[in-house]
Amino acid sequence: GESVGLHLPTLSVQEGDNSIINCAYSNSASDYFIWYKQESGKGPQFIIDIRSNMDKRQGQRVTVLLNKTVKHLSLQIAATQPGDSAVYFCAETFNAGNMLTFGGGTRLMVKP
Amino acid sequence: DSGVTQTPKHLITATGQRVTLRCSPRSGDLSVYWYQQSLDQGLQFLIQYYNGEERAKGNILERFSAQQFPDLHSELNLSSLELGDSALYFCASSYSPTSGEYEQYFGPGTRLTVT
Repeated sequence: GESVGLHLPTLSVQEGDNSIINCAYSNSASDYFIWYKQESGKGPQFIIDIRSNMDKRQGQRVTVLLNKTVKHLSLQIAATQPGDSAVYFCAETFNAGNMLTFGGGTRLMVKP
Repeated sequence: DSGVTQTPKHLITATGQRVTLRCSPRSGDLSVYWYQQSLDQGLQFLIQYYNGEERAKGNILERFSAQQFPDLHSELNLSSLELGDSALYFCASSYSPTSGEYEQYFGPGTRLTVT
């Protein structure tokens, strides 16, 4: 069954295209940000993190961009695959190790 | 597999009852966090324990309590259950003194249904 709300913003992309998921965070004091992926019936899965002293960080097929001026975070997924279909959450905190505040989530649907 | 385990996977109970959810953190992690995920509230932080001590509290109801034991596993106790407590409850763990990592890794969750 579904793990998250039914009225999430949805991004629909073609397999092989690049995806960009955006997030506006709320606390200007936050200095650590994480992207999580949540598949139906599962717990959030850590994807990539970034600290506030950086504006870009790359992982395998994923890139996170941080714009502290406008409190904006984005997740770029290269060559999106059907297995990337999930709900993506951004999370923020002050001092890694503290509680996370989550955004509302974006549902990514990949069309074959 | 994150390495965080939670039991039970599903729990169905009646209003007014009390349940206990259990979490085992990743090996070496000292911090345990509890989060609630409901359809209308999203993922919300409830409480954090670090090495057996309560570290931070979020929007946790007085009917809910938690503890972390010497072996670092944690339990979340929910009492006087109401229909609105139906949700997914996730445990996360972080901070390994060995690696110095702070990433929070989530367990598979416990789906609680109150009827």
